Amino acid sequence: ELKVEQNPLFLSMQEGKNYTIYCNYSTTSDRLYWYRQDPGKSLESLFVLLSNGAVKQEGRLMASLDTKARLSTLHITAAVHDLSATYFCAVRGGSQGNLIFGKGTKLSVKP
Amino acid sequence: NAGVTQTPKFRVLKTGQSMTLLCAQDMNHEYMYWYRQDPGMGLRLIHYSVGEGTTAKGEVPDGYNVSRLKKQNFLLGLESAAPSQTSVYFCASSYSRQSVRGADGYTFGSGTRLTVV
Repeated sequence: ELKVEQNPLFLSMQEGKNYTIYCNYSTTSDRLYWYRQDPGKSLESLFVLLSNGAVKQEGRLMASLDTKARLSTLHITAAVHDLSATYFCAVRGGSQGNLIFGKGTKLSVKP
Repeated sequence: NAGVTQTPKFRVLKTGQSMTLLCAQDMNHEYMYWYRQDPGMGLRLIHYSVGEGTTAKGEVPDGYNVSRLKKQNFLLGLESAAPSQTSVYFCASSYSRQSVRGADGYTFGSGTRLTVV
């Protein structure tokens, strides 16, 4: 059974600082996704990572994938308040290719 | 395109009442899903469908039923609501896993906040 673990689950950062969110998964998968959820809102797709060594960047967020280590990271550079949200990673691994989600990392960026 | 539309957005039920949540998508996606989101639990799959007329159980199916009579619609039913079903429910859709376009992942609806008292 595929399990997806994120850490930390809660992250309080100061503006301007860098930090990394980690996503580990237990069995082989060919796709990993990162989503963002603002309070009371739906999930918005950020990145899809399809191969070992894949790296994608948008603004202050950069995601990478190491399929051998079964690890993805979401790196935040020079955080700003607008990045405050909950971030989920998800791995494709259900019986019909459905996504299994981590529990989410609640990020709070303070001035 | 509207994407994935969920109705209603909010609902309060009394224990034992029944209701149906509707999910509609206009992207011609084959796959549709119902998840529930609870604090500290992430998203857990309730039921899913890989095509019109098909449904399957996910991780937490008990107390729920689903139907997919039309490709664009996926209904989630609660026959006898319980306080444990208080949650935020999300519908999502995607292309099939075999499709290259499946790399896009899921498109989510805006959610239904359900309270059972």
